[in-house]
Amino acid sequence: DQQVKQNSPSLSVQEGRISILNCDYTNSMFDYFLWYKKYPAEGPTFLISISSIKDKNEDGRFTVFLNKSAKHLSLHIVPSQPGDSAVYFCAASARNIQGAQKLVFGQGTRLTINP
Amino acid sequence: SAVISQKPSRDICQRGTSLTIQCQVDSQVTMMFWYRQQPGQSLTLIATANQGSEATYESGFVIDKFPISRPNLTFSTLTVSNMSPEDSSIYLCSFYKLDLAGGSYEQYFGPGTRLTVT
Repeated sequence: DQQVKQNSPSLSVQEGRISILNCDYTNSMFDYFLWYKKYPAEGPTFLISISSIKDKNEDGRFTVFLNKSAKHLSLHIVPSQPGDSAVYFCAASARNIQGAQKLVFGQGTRLTINP
Repeated sequence: SAVISQKPSRDICQRGTSLTIQCQVDSQVTMMFWYRQQPGQSLTLIATANQGSEATYESGFVIDKFPISRPNLTFSTLTVSNMSPEDSSIYLCSFYKLDLAGGSYEQYFGPGTRLTVT
């Protein structure tokens, strides 16, 4: 039961252009959505998050859009830089019966920025 | 952003032995989490560790295999017991910051412990 799905295993973008990473989810109880960047042999680095009551959040070059009716979110990176090349994970959080926020991850998308 | 560290960063262990992974956070947090990332896979939650109570394990994970300690609000350990090659993974600790008034949620991860079981 894959509650969070990233259907594109890889994406290649030209330097300076916009990178758009997509994520779909099935559980309407998710109340926060997060994006992470991960390099090999390192832990995931938190990039940006959005509450389910919002439809957009922006932080520098990163913007996350949330479409609740479609159960879809996307991460836009503009302009893309070579250092952005990494695996990007979408994650969603819901409160469990113990009151803790439990995070569920997608499978990841490998982004390659070409010079 | 918060600082979260893990020890060891990597280890190679023999089948049947146990390894304890330590996680240290630079601020007091109520809940800490332990995740696993198997080769080529995404991250999977193993358990939630509250200070002063027993850890809560996710489906497929049991206390006998992954005992957890949480002696204070900045530290936790995960033990991988009676290891087999299937336990070869990256193990990560994590915590979150939730600001209900501001509507923000951030969850941070340690650098990971790369475990190889031979």
